Amino acid sequence: KNQVEQSPQSLIILEGKNCTLQCNYTVSPFSNLRWYKQDTGRGPVSLTIMTFSENTKSNGRYTATLDADTKQSSLHITASQLSDSASYICVVTTNDYKLSFGAGTTVTVRA
Amino acid sequence: DTEVTQTPKHLVMGMTNKKSLKCEQHMGHRAMYWYKQKAKKPPELMFVYSYEKLSINESVPSRFSPECPNSSLLNLHLHALQPEDSALYLCASSQPYGRTSGRANTGELFFGEGSRLTVL
Repeated sequence: KNQVEQSPQSLIILEGKNCTLQCNYTVSPFSNLRWYKQDTGRGPVSLTIMTFSENTKSNGRYTATLDADTKQSSLHITASQLSDSASYICVVTTNDYKLSFGAGTTVTVRA
Repeated sequence: DTEVTQTPKHLVMGMTNKKSLKCEQHMGHRAMYWYKQKAKKPPELMFVYSYEKLSINESVPSRFSPECPNSSLLNLHLHALQPEDSALYLCASSQPYGRTSGRANTGELFFGEGSRLTVL
C-alpha cells in the first residue's frame, strides 16, 4: 500500500530559527515528490518538486532534499518568519499519476 | 493569487437544502478535481474529470453530484447533506495524465482557496 508518513505532527519554533520537517514514503513506482504549504483555511500551494534524479531543491528560504534510496525527504526552513506558520504537506506521485498525501506537519512560528 | 477560483468561500446549509460549489480555472488545464479536507487531515480525493468526462469517483455518496460544463468550470452540487460532510472542499486543476506538448506531466495540482462548508 502506498503510504506517506510525515514527522513531526506539529512543531513550534521562534521567529528567526531554522527547522526541518521529515517525509518517509513507500510509494511505488516513484515519479516525483512535492512539498506543499497550506495556510489555515486556504488551498495548498506547491513549494518544490523533485524527481528521482534530484536530491536537493531550493525555493527561497525553503530547501527540500530527497534520498530515493531510503525513500526519505526533508524540508528545511531557514530563518523562519511568522508567515511560515502553516501546514506543510508531502505529496508523492507515481508513474501512473496517482497521488499519495502525507498528513502534514503543522508549523507555528512565534515572535 | 491562485489561478483556480472557488465560490463561495463559505457556505452554511441545512440538511434539506440544495446548494452548489463552483470552481473556475483559465490555465488551459484539462483535468479538474474535487477534494474534501477535514481539519488537520490531508485532502481526500472525491472526483476527477479529464477532458470534461468523469474519470474517477472515489465511492462518494450520491448526495454529492459533480458536473463539468466545460473545460474551465467544475461544479459540485450538494443535496441532503449530513453534519459530518462539513469540511473544506478544495478544487484543483492540472494537465491531464500523460505527456502534454512534448513534456511529461509532472502531476502538479493547482489548488483553489477552498470553500468552507458547514452543514447544520
